[in-house]
Amino acid sequence: EVQLVESGGDLVKPGGSLRLSCAASGLTFTDAWMTWVRQAPGKGLEWVGLIRSKYDGGTADYAAPVKGRFTISREDARNMVYLQMNSLKTEDTAVYFCTKDVPFTGGGAIAFWGQGTLVTVSS
Amino acid sequence: DIVMTQSPDALAVSLGERATINCKSSQSVLYSSNNKNYLAWYQQKAGQPPRLLIYWASTRESGVPDRFSGSGSGTDFTLTVSSLQAEDVAVYYCQQYYTTPHTFGQGTQLEIK
Repeated sequence: EVQLVESGGDLVKPGGSLRLSCAASGLTFTDAWMTWVRQAPGKGLEWVGLIRSKYDGGTADYAAPVKGRFTISREDARNMVYLQMNSLKTEDTAVYFCTKDVPFTGGGAIAFWGQGTLVTVSS
Repeated sequence: DIVMTQSPDALAVSLGERATINCKSSQSVLYSSNNKNYLAWYQQKAGQPPRLLIYWASTRESGVPDRFSGSGSGTDFTLTVSSLQAEDVAVYYCQQYYTTPHTFGQGTQLEIK
């Protein structure tokens, strides 16, 4: 059974930084494309970014609102994926979900979701 | 970026009746080389992460009741709940994964009339 467990959410001031972690189990992590999705309180889902498997290049893509501020990385030896968030803004306040796709959908159709971790950006 | 627009924003349907949610993409999400539409549907109940219902526009995820079906191609897609049950009250989202960013629709709230 695939399990994704996020951690690291916290209250942070505007301009601050935070790193979220996601521990994955029950899957062949080295093959996995991992995606972060966020949801602001009472709002819809927003795709944040994904990281490809090392076999597929290990590169990451980002949504425009976070590009240049957020960085996704992975540590295959520990089945971990990270979201480094810098220069945080109040509009980054959201629950952040770590997710995994249905195989062969290019990180697309998201079959597995963590429970999410809350990031609050406020002074 | 591909913009996904759902309609309606909210929908109230009687128990046992059909519910239909539409999703339109600003450009085609049909990949011609494999004839697949890169479109997924999700259900999100209050306080829970989303659940994948449909991918490739019409492939039902394992464990999803067969009253849920997806259809459409290119830029226009539909999620149909053939006979609404009380447990189907939720927000439904479409998402394209044709190209990054993998954008979501704004969501459709489905309620019981």
